Amino acid sequence: KAGVTQTPRYLIKTRGQQVTLSCSPISGHRSVSWYQQTPGQGLQFLFEYFSETQRNKGNFPGRFSGRQFSNSRSEMNVSTLELGDSALYLCASSLRTSGDGDEQFFGPGTRLTVL
Amino acid sequence: GDSVTQMEGPVTLSEEAFLTINCTYTATGYPSLFWYVQYPGEGLQLLLKATKADDKGSNKGFEATYRKETTSFHLEKGSVQVSDSAVYFCALTAPSGGSYIPTFGRGTSLIVHP
Repeated sequence: KAGVTQTPRYLIKTRGQQVTLSCSPISGHRSVSWYQQTPGQGLQFLFEYFSETQRNKGNFPGRFSGRQFSNSRSEMNVSTLELGDSALYLCASSLRTSGDGDEQFFGPGTRLTVL
Repeated sequence: GDSVTQMEGPVTLSEEAFLTINCTYTATGYPSLFWYVQYPGEGLQLLLKATKADDKGSNKGFEATYRKETTSFHLEKGSVQVSDSAVYFCALTAPSGGSYIPTFGRGTSLIVHP
């Protein structure tokens, strides 16, 4: 069974631009969560989508948004990029929502560098 | 809000040594607790989990017991191997106003020497 895939793996952008990251969950998984990982803040939860609806949201500004499609694939968008947005963005999928205590399966991440 | 505190690393051990990585948490409600491992260049993988007090999670020789009275979920392994070198994350999910926000610790790097 294929794992969680994320594209692209590496991305370089400049301040003020916007970026879209993509995540394909494990087949049959309906929940997709996004995380930001930085050396300074560690791993922080961005949001979770289940059946095309945002179920949970972390404490990030509105520049960070996402969506989920009917095939459970998810995209995350960051607008008006700032230097501090440079991070590894991780996507994780699970059968049910995080509230069900299910195991999350993580992708390899997208490394975003903002210059 | 909820929080997870892990011991700072790196933890450096010789092969076959005993490992303990401390993890304590603060949460409202009754959280589920997890340990994830991240090997170099890879995403996080679930190592073990416990969903209620006194549950013991175990996998690949690693163990952790959900201690509600001390709000702890320490990770232990009796004899580490070089292949266990990785970053270990303690995490929880807990209900908060109808939502479940996963919360992760900062991670503890483990280095095992032959």
